[in-house]
Amino acid sequence: EIVLTQSPATLSLSPGERATLSCRASQSVSSYFAWYQQKPGQAPRLLIYDASNRATGIPARFSGSGSGTVFALTISSLEPEDFAVYYCQQRRNWPLTFGGGTKVEIK
Amino acid sequence: QLLESGGGLVQPGGSLRLSCVASGFTFSNYPMTWVRQAPGKGLEWVSAISGSETSTNYADSVKGRFTISRDNSKNTLFLQMSSLRAEDTAVYYCAKEGYSYWYFDLWGRGTLVTVSS
Repeated sequence: EIVLTQSPATLSLSPGERATLSCRASQSVSSYFAWYQQKPGQAPRLLIYDASNRATGIPARFSGSGSGTVFALTISSLEPEDFAVYYCQQRRNWPLTFGGGTKVEIK
Repeated sequence: QLLESGGGLVQPGGSLRLSCVASGFTFSNYPMTWVRQAPGKGLEWVSAISGSETSTNYADSVKGRFTISRDNSKNTLFLQMSSLRAEDTAVYYCAKEGYSYWYFDLWGRGTLVTVSS
């Protein structure tokens, strides 16, 4: 099983600041990698797929990078609606796996 | 959209069948999945099924206890859960594949399964 480790667990930032979230895979997943956002009481929402492609309707302030075992999600300037939990996911191998999540909270 | 149902309170060792009704897209064209989230915890992938139902996959934690299936004539996805354990307590989401294999671009609101005596 491919283990995805997200860091940090919590990121405390102010609106307008830049956020950088990391996810490390226990073995290479190539670019078969996604990021999701989840707000309290809501289902997850797909942000990024294939490591760097934004899903439809996702603002340009969200960007994904990386390949192999190291990935990053960058939010260039935090908006109030961006404070949420973010999960990474790999589809390289079965079983599909998610990271443990990074909570982006208001400082 | 996707609408899950069938959750509830069940005793350890019991069974439950979850359903997920799809609308707004051609259901049979898309692989589907179940993902669960224990209270206050992260996401855990549970099971997936191809559009034609020819291929299924399971997390080790549910293999042999859960069965995923679908009825394309009724636009419905199922998860039959048996031998339930306390650690199966979670919100169960169904989700539709999108953009590429095994990414999920449409999710239901989830249904809560509580396993407790």
